[in-house]
Amino acid sequence: KAGVTQTPRYLIKTRGQQVTLSCSPISGHRSVSWYQQTPGQGLQFLFEYFSETQRNKGNFPGRFSGRQFSNSRSEMNVSTLELGDSALYLCASKDYNEQFFGPGTRLTVL
Amino acid sequence: AQKVTQAQTEISVVEKEDVTLDCVYETRDTTYYLFWYKQPPSGELVFLIRRNSFDEQNEISGRYSWNFQKSTSSFNFTITASQVVDSAVYFCALSDGNFNKFYFGSGTKLNVKP
Repeated sequence: KAGVTQTPRYLIKTRGQQVTLSCSPISGHRSVSWYQQTPGQGLQFLFEYFSETQRNKGNFPGRFSGRQFSNSRSEMNVSTLELGDSALYLCASKDYNEQFFGPGTRLTVL
Repeated sequence: AQKVTQAQTEISVVEKEDVTLDCVYETRDTTYYLFWYKQPPSGELVFLIRRNSFDEQNEISGRYSWNFQKSTSSFNFTITASQVVDSAVYFCALSDGNFNKFYFGSGTKLNVKP
């Protein structure tokens, strides 16, 4: 089975712009979670989608949003980017009690 | 509230030394899961082990071993005869019994020098 894929791997944006990140889970997995990793805050849970519905949500502002499509692929959107949004964004594909992570998208906000 | 503490920010050892990475967790749940992940410089989190709260058996997998003690809320990870390829950031994580939200520790950076 192919692993979790994330696109793009690297992204550079400027403050105020918006960005969309994509995640394709492992085939057959219906749950996709998103995490933000920064040196200061570590790994923080953003949200989880299951069968196209947001099932869990972390403590992030409304600028962070996501969605999931019928094929389980998920997108995450960040609007009005701030410098502090620079981070590695990790997507995780989950099935029962196994969670596998993708390689991440490194976002730099200038 | 759930919380995972990895007090060791960075550890440096010489190849072939044994090293233990500490993990202490807090939760009010009676059913929960504990995990260890490895993050090499490439950034991808690699799953190492999962343990549920009802299984306190220690586990050994090659050079890796894990010690789970509910009495001290600890889930420590030992690498025996460390190798340079073990250099990475290691994360301990906790999830509830429904396997929903994950709570990660701040990670321990392990440097194994030749």
